[in-house]
Amino acid sequence: DAGVIQSPRHEVTEMGQEVTLRCKPISGHDYLFWYRQTMMRGLELLIYFNNNVPIDDSGMPEDRFSAKMPNASFSTLKIQPSEPRDSAVYFCASRDSGLGGYTFGSGTRLTVV
Amino acid sequence: QKEVEQNSGPLSVPEGAIASLNCTYSDRVSQSFFWYRQYSGKSPELIMSIYSNGDKEDGRFTAQLNKASQYVSLLIRDSQPSDSATYLCAATGGTYKYIFGTGTRLKVLA
Repeated sequence: DAGVIQSPRHEVTEMGQEVTLRCKPISGHDYLFWYRQTMMRGLELLIYFNNNVPIDDSGMPEDRFSAKMPNASFSTLKIQPSEPRDSAVYFCASRDSGLGGYTFGSGTRLTVV
Repeated sequence: QKEVEQNSGPLSVPEGAIASLNCTYSDRVSQSFFWYRQYSGKSPELIMSIYSNGDKEDGRFTAQLNKASQYVSLLIRDSQPSDSATYLCAATGGTYKYIFGTGTRLKVLA
């Protein structure tokens, strides 16, 4: 199993530009999570999906952030327009419905200048 | 009170010693508990999960849960320099949504 796959690994963009982060969960996992990690705030849950349906988006900071999961093998997190305070590492994670923890992807390091 | 709290450290221990990492949690996240290890620049990886009071051992790692006192601990026996990392405690309140602490940085000194 290739694990949770995220792309790109690094993204540098200018303030005001649209940014799209991508995630492919582990096959058979029916839960997908988007987290953001910063030194100041640690790991924060942004949104999670169950069977492609958004269940809790209370962590999405503003309307500038949106996430979709069009099918069981793909999800996107979009920021439009991006701001310097969005700079962070964004992790995608997935899990199945049984006991056990998340498996994280390798993350996308986003820098907005 | 934050839902999951950890001392940020760093916690320094000599090689071969026992490292003890602690985490406290609020009533809102009192169902399931997880310890993750995160090396610098890498993603978190699951070490242990614990759901009921008492100890759970896996190799050099022991997780301890005390629901009455609302704390969960991770003990690392025979600590190695390769154990140097940030250890994240996570908890859930009955959903699949994990709340993470900010992590404790562990340094194992050779």
